[in-house]
Amino acid sequence: SAVISQKPSRDICQRGTSLTIQCQVDSQVTMMFWYRQQPGQSLTLIATANQGSEATYESGFVIDKFPISRPNLTFSTLTVSNMSPEDSSIYLCSVLLPTDIQYFGAGTRLSVL
Amino acid sequence: GENVEQHPSTLSVQEGDSAVIKCTYSDSASNYFPWYKQELGKRPQLIIDIRSNVGEKKDQRIAVTLNKTAKHFSLHITETQPEDSAVYFCAASMGNAGNMLTFGGGTRLMVKP
Repeated sequence: SAVISQKPSRDICQRGTSLTIQCQVDSQVTMMFWYRQQPGQSLTLIATANQGSEATYESGFVIDKFPISRPNLTFSTLTVSNMSPEDSSIYLCSVLLPTDIQYFGAGTRLSVL
Repeated sequence: GENVEQHPSTLSVQEGDSAVIKCTYSDSASNYFPWYKQELGKRPQLIIDIRSNVGEKKDQRIAVTLNKTAKHFSLHITETQPEDSAVYFCAASMGNAGNMLTFGGGTRLMVKP
């Protein structure tokens, strides 16, 4: 298994500002992912965080809005930029182990006023 | 890309009854099918998974069946208990490190005492 620390756990932000979410895992992993989960909805993949190269974004998500860093095999950050109320959601990181199993962080509950 | 449909979206059962949640997938190359349980305000947690080389897997009160020909898989919970109340997500991937999960829309299970 994997122990994932994600922070902050929640935040309330003003529109037009940016928030950076951190994800730390207790072992080296090749694949880390960022998801968005809107209230009462399923999980939508934002991007795959690649170590040493640019993240791979899914359709509908762009680097300017959701820049991602992955400086090493245990850490990644997701920034939500120039926020609007529509960005209010839960953001989750996950890691993929060689067994194909994905473990999730506890999530960041973001409210944008 | 892969598309996963999940039914029903809500399911209410009496304590002690069985619950069945069904998912269909579109990409015949998918070969790994996990189920996640998400309690209110918590992270999704893996409860059982199945790979395409087996048709059924059981873990105590939980079982998953897979029909590769029909491209559908199901979660079966027997002797349901109030603590089984949660949102359940199915997912599919092509396995191997690097292939992301595609999630179903989720099923809200309510077990009435």
